Amino acid sequence: QSALTQPASVSGSPGQSITISCTGTSDDVGGYNYVSWYQQHPGKAPKLMIYDVAYRPSGVSNRFSGSKSGNTASLTISGLQAEDEADYYCCSYTSSLAVFGGGTKLTVL
Amino acid sequence: QVQLQESGPGLVKPSGTLSLTCAVSGGSISSTNWWSWVRQPPGRGLEWIGQIYHSGSTNYSPSLKSRVTISVDKSKNQFSLKLTSVTAADTAVYYCARGPFLGALYAFDIWGQGTMITVSS
Repeated sequence: QSALTQPASVSGSPGQSITISCTGTSDDVGGYNYVSWYQQHPGKAPKLMIYDVAYRPSGVSNRFSGSKSGNTASLTISGLQAEDEADYYCCSYTSSLAVFGGGTKLTVL
Repeated sequence: QVQLQESGPGLVKPSGTLSLTCAVSGGSISSTNWWSWVRQPPGRGLEWIGQIYHSGSTNYSPSLKSRVTISVDKSKNQFSLKLTSVTAADTAVYYCARGPFLGALYAFDIWGQGTMITVSS
């Protein structure tokens, strides 16, 4: 059970779109539609942004979207806003367990 | 609205046992959800520790399995974490969370505020 692979950092200007990737294997990301994404601001608990690859919980902006192709899941944030600056983590099901990605720091320029 | 609150000592001595409790309010721990512990070392990413169902069924991270026990107390509507033989590497913010199995969905949808645990003599 290895951590999922995410880029350490991404950046974008306000109004732009960015995509964060989350790469696993056929034993986790590629094998199940059980990928979720979390936003974490400094000193705060994580917040669920996307579940089951592409579904948004009630209250989450539709600027956030998720997708998956093969062993890689992606989180796209459109119309970047200053408040989107945070750490983002993906998580996947694997063999009755859960595994997180290493996290991606999003900087809004 | 379901809320989670972690409690426990903030300081644990090396080789000792870390014990935390997560109180569930606003809902029943006996719902069709699993309950988990997740930790985050300072400046690092999230690490899933393990999960429990109200029946007592558990699953643990392979890397921690030999040292972890998660239990549930339905009468108190809470679940607990014990981590033995701790070292400085176990210093982290520990979160309890609802999930990852939420009926047919898979996610951690509710989190506690987190509690900082430092392992030091």
